[in-house]
Amino acid sequence: NAGVMQNPRHLVRRRGQEARLRCSPMKGHSHVYWYRQLPEEGLKFMVYLQKENIIDESGMPKERFSAEFPKEGPSILRIQQVVRGDSAAYFCASSGGGANTGELFFGEGSRLTVL
Amino acid sequence: LAKTTQPISMDSYEGQEVNITCSHNNIATNDYITWYQQFPSQGPRFIIQGYKTKVTNEVASLFIPADRKSSTLSLPRVSLSDTAVYYCLVGDPYGQNFVFGPGTRLSVLP
Repeated sequence: NAGVMQNPRHLVRRRGQEARLRCSPMKGHSHVYWYRQLPEEGLKFMVYLQKENIIDESGMPKERFSAEFPKEGPSILRIQQVVRGDSAAYFCASSGGGANTGELFFGEGSRLTVL
Repeated sequence: LAKTTQPISMDSYEGQEVNITCSHNNIATNDYITWYQQFPSQGPRFIIQGYKTKVTNEVASLFIPADRKSSTLSLPRVSLSDTAVYYCLVGDPYGQNFVFGPGTRLSVLP
């Protein structure tokens, strides 16, 4: 049973370009979380999604950032018109929800570098 | 969501027992306490979860007093490979967002 898969692992963009980060949750998991981590800092919650629904996006910047988790396919975190401050590691986690224990399973992260 | 407070960093030596305490004064009735471990350049990994009293697994123990306003993660006989950041989370495990605090950076010295 494959774990949470994130791609790309590393992404380099120039200012003003778009970044798309993908996350495939563990098989059978319908809850996805996105976190951002700056170097030497903790994880910052961004958004929590269930299939086709955004449940909580209180940690998402109001502009340029969006997330989706379609019925088919991976969850996608999209950053438009990237700026240098967007450089960070973006982690995705999934859980089964419902009767599970609430354990989050994390991917290895996608590291975005904005030049 | 309950806010958590942990020491920023701790140092220990190989073979010692390490206890990391987390304060969560406004924990709610439905909240569980969960600890994660994160190595550099990796995603966090679940260590242990509990609701009250004591929980033990092959990796660690979690002590939760009756008032549940704090919890202590205990790592027996740490090794160099236990050097990592340890996060305490408090929240309803059934689908809410999980908010991480800054964590405790544990350094295990030889």
